[in-house]
Amino acid sequence: GAVVSQHPSRVICKSGTSVKIECRSLDFQATTMFWYRQFPKQSLMLMATSNEGSKATYEQGVEKDKFLINHASLTLSTLTVTSAHPEDSSFYICSATSGVGIAGYTFGSGTRLTVV
Amino acid sequence: ELKVEQNPLFLSMQEGKNYTIYCNYSTTSDRLYWYRQDPGKSLESLFVLLSNGAVKQEGRLMASLDTKARLSTLHITAAVHDLSATYFCAVDNGGSNYKLTFGKGTLLTVNP
Repeated sequence: GAVVSQHPSRVICKSGTSVKIECRSLDFQATTMFWYRQFPKQSLMLMATSNEGSKATYEQGVEKDKFLINHASLTLSTLTVTSAHPEDSSFYICSATSGVGIAGYTFGSGTRLTVV
Repeated sequence: ELKVEQNPLFLSMQEGKNYTIYCNYSTTSDRLYWYRQDPGKSLESLFVLLSNGAVKQEGRLMASLDTKARLSTLHITAAVHDLSATYFCAVDNGGSNYKLTFGKGTLLTVNP
């Protein structure tokens, strides 16, 4: 089945630094990728949608200059958290779809970000 | 704006019992998904329901979709401890602009 690889699984960084998270579709071409954020005991909150070669579409309230998303190829999207602060600490999950409804959405394994 | 409501949000049940989780959504869509999440983990796909009347079963879990009522159910039969997890339903907004809207999730605890 479809596999999405997400790295790193855990990262600890200092306040003010930037962190990059990678999301790769291993066995299919992901025309659209999604980035979610999940706080403890809450649901997933969509941050942005990215299509290969296009600028990401951010959800309302998500700072695009803080959460930089690049979708340079059909198999790779990256999320960079810039100038991280402790309140950015969260579980970040990517998802990808090939654009065909029955294929559904495949989720990465998630990244636990802790900003100290 | 598409809204997805799940209930109950918390469910504690005894092993061997049956129960149903409900997922209501607010706009027309015929693509609904069920996921399982274990603590500290990402989402595991359980079911993809793509048409009215769709019913899918895997082990002790069965999911159904009624697009006219805008309702999906996840039925648990003879629960076992290993089913303890958080279950999310998510609805596709339809069309070619793919986007999932999630329910708040149901935290299921199965007690021995």
